[in-house]
Parts: sequence; structure tokens; C-alpha cells
Amino acid sequence: DAGVIQSPRHEVTEMGQEVTLRCKPISGHDYLFWYRQTMMRGLELLIYFNNNVPIDDSGMPEDRFSAKMPNASFSTLKIQPSEPRDSAVYFCASSPPGHLPYEQYFGPGTRLTVT
Amino acid sequence: QQQVKQSPQSLIVQKGGISIINCAYENTAFDYFPWYQQFPGKGPALLIAIRPDVSEKKEGRFTISFNKSAKQFSLHIMDSQPGDSATYFCAASMQLDTGRRALTFGSGTRLQVQP
Repeated sequence: DAGVIQSPRHEVTEMGQEVTLRCKPISGHDYLFWYRQTMMRGLELLIYFNNNVPIDDSGMPEDRFSAKMPNASFSTLKIQPSEPRDSAVYFCASSPPGHLPYEQYFGPGTRLTVT
Repeated sequence: QQQVKQSPQSLIVQKGGISIINCAYENTAFDYFPWYQQFPGKGPALLIAIRPDVSEKKEGRFTISFNKSAKQFSLHIMDSQPGDSATYFCAASMQLDTGRRALTFGSGTRLQVQP
């Protein structure tokens, strides 16, 4: 079975540009999470969805960040405009129905570099 | 109150030795304590988890020890192997309100097992 798929794997962009990260959760999973990982702050939850509906976006750092889940098999995280401090690895994770509270399956991540 | 403090930041162990990683928490509302393993270039993967009503859980060479009164838990890797070299994250999960849960990660421990 395919795991969580993220694209692109690496993204280099200039400050001020729009960046869109994409995620395809595992088929049949009904929860989707977006995380950001940096050396300074570790793993931070940005937002999560249940059945395509955003449940908790309290981790989204500011209005420059937005996330959507138009259907059960696709989600995007958009940063507009991007800033150098947004440089991090962004992970998408998904969980199946009836999952244990900590059972999350992570994708390989997108390494974002903003210059 | 949702923080999970993890130590050490890095650990070097000889092959065959025991690796020990410690975590501490403050919020007694946490009700699940998982450990995740992350290899370079990959997303974190669930390794093992424990509930606070259990003092120890073992799966193969991996054991979680839990001290509820001290609000501490630890991961022991017995007979450590070079293939165990990875970053390990402890985490804690709690119910926030109806439909919402939080999973808080520790800062991570980079384990290197020398052959």
C-alpha cells in the first residue's frame, strides 16, 4: 500500500513568492495533519482536518499560511508571501477511522528553503 | 502545560548496549504516551506507545517505562544496533474538547549506535 505522498520533496523559492505544498493521505484515512519541523522548534502541529473539515488551526503561525482539503484524497498548504523564517521541513500525516489518539502515519516531508 | 521535555539531545551508544531516552511532562490530562522514530530524510514513524495506567510496555528490544507519580517516561532500547541510529521523539496526547485532540512532541534525541 502507498503511504502518505507529499510533493514536492524539495522546494527552493525567493522571499515573497507563493509556495504550495501538496499531500495525498493514505486511502481510507479520515484525519489529515500538517506539521512543521525545525531545529529550533521541533515538530509543530499547524492544522488538522477530519473528513475534509478543518478542526484545529490554532498552530497556523499567521495569516500568510492557509490550508485546504477539497476532497478526501488531497490537501494543500499554502504560504503567501513566503519569508526566510518559513524554511523548514513540512510533514503531512494521516490517521484511519477509529484510530488510536496518537496513531499517525507521516509522509516523507517537503523541505522548503526560502532565500 | 502542554510541553514535553526530552533528554538527552544526543546519545552515542556502542553496539549491544542499552540506549535510554527520558521524557517528562506536567499536564496530568495527557492520556497516551507514544514514541516515534525518524530516520534521515523520512517522516516520523510510530514505534511504541503506553497508557498512564501501565508502568511498563515491551515490544521486542524496545521498552517504555512509565512513572506516573513523577510524570516521567522513558524509552529503553536493549541490545542497540547500528540500524537503530535515528532520531527518537517522545510525545503525549490529550483530549482538548469534543472532537479535538492534541499530540505534543518532545524535542527529539539523536541516537547513534556505533558498531
